[in-house]
Amino acid sequence: EPEVTQTPSHQVTQMGQEVILRCVPISNHLYFYWYRQILGQKVEFLVSFYNNEISEKSEIFDDQFSVERPDGSNFTLKIRSTKLEDSAMYFCASSESIMWSPLHFGNGTRLTVT
Amino acid sequence: GESVGLHLPTLSVQEGDNSIINCAYSNSASDYFIWYKQESGKGPQFIIDIRSNMDKRQGQRVTVLLNKTVKHLSLQIAATQPGDSAVYFCAEKNDYKLSFGAGTTVTVRA
Repeated sequence: EPEVTQTPSHQVTQMGQEVILRCVPISNHLYFYWYRQILGQKVEFLVSFYNNEISEKSEIFDDQFSVERPDGSNFTLKIRSTKLEDSAMYFCASSESIMWSPLHFGNGTRLTVT
Repeated sequence: GESVGLHLPTLSVQEGDNSIINCAYSNSASDYFIWYKQESGKGPQFIIDIRSNMDKRQGQRVTVLLNKTVKHLSLQIAATQPGDSAVYFCAEKNDYKLSFGAGTTVTVRA
């Protein structure tokens, strides 16, 4: 069964550094998403992406965050200057369409900011 | 803010019994609902979904019920197994955004 893959599984970085989290969505999916989950808390929406532009973003997704689909298979989340509170699990997801189509999630990247 | 929530944060169930996990939502404009299962160290895994024009949908060992009048969603798991132990999230979809509730931790007792 096709799946969303994310790399790396764990990323440790120092405060103020830039990080790029990578995702390969399911190949025939057109909609892409990033979510985060702080330890023990619920899954929070960050951003949705379609047709090479952001469709919707949350208040969490401020100017420090950006997304990109650099080629036909990858989808990336960049955090320009990490803060301690950015430490979380980051999940990428994709869906086939916008209507009546479930999101399929990867297993996440655990980001630790020290 | 998030509009999806769950009634109980934890549920303990005897192996073989049926489980019922409840969820309340507040956004009457939501038109699509999904239940996810999350095991430790993994991403949310799709279980079952339901559109707002339906009130019941069945899958393998799972049933989702939707009551739009009271904005309530439930997930029923038949003959609960040890592998069903996980955190269960309901989620509602509006346009490009899927919003998650806080989750219910289900523990299956042998």
